[in-house]
Amino acid sequence: QQPVQSPQAVILREGEDAVINCSSSKALYSVHWYRQKHGEAPVFLMILLKGGEQKGHEKISASFNEKKQQSSLYLTASQLSYSGTYFCGRFTGNQFYFGTGTSLTVIP
Amino acid sequence: NAGVTQTPKFQVLKTGQSMTLQCAQDMNHEYMSWYRQDPGMGLRLIHYSVGAGITDQGEVPNGYNVSRSTTEDFPLRLLSAAPSQTSVYFCASSASNYGYTFGSGTRLTVV
Repeated sequence: QQPVQSPQAVILREGEDAVINCSSSKALYSVHWYRQKHGEAPVFLMILLKGGEQKGHEKISASFNEKKQQSSLYLTASQLSYSGTYFCGRFTGNQFYFGTGTSLTVIP
Repeated sequence: NAGVTQTPKFQVLKTGQSMTLQCAQDMNHEYMSWYRQDPGMGLRLIHYSVGAGITDQGEVPNGYNVSRSTTEDFPLRLLSAAPSQTSVYFCASSASNYGYTFGSGTRLTVV
């Protein structure tokens, strides 16, 4: 039920780019992305609906390919504040499942 | 401030005790869910609700009960606490096709 994310962890230097992938074995009708900083609650970043649309939030954008049941999150010119764990998520019926998570650390 | 309010923030229970984690939202959201987060396990769905009077089980419902008598409130009851229920609990709410807003969490330790 849980979407699978890759990589599990990534370390970046400030200014570098990163891609986080989310893959589902079940049909994806929409994809959510969240970021959770250490010791805090997850925070909603964006939702992508069917149609291959791409959305953006600051320098973070995402794509959604419903045929491949995949979504990718793109972090451009990373900042220290981007550090945290990123989760994708999807609905199955009325149940919302989070992905396995990707820990992202940005170092100076 | 609008949002999701969870209480308490911290709780220590003895094995076998019962307690209720409170969750309230003031955004008129129809969807509400409870998740637990354990190290290395991500967020797992315990119970969820799609409106007042409607609740259902998630992935890990054993040992927990919920009810939703109003749109605003969605309490989670631990029936007989066990050490395996030591975790961080998050309540979250959303409107249809919108992202979830999370409460600040409850850190529960069962000894």
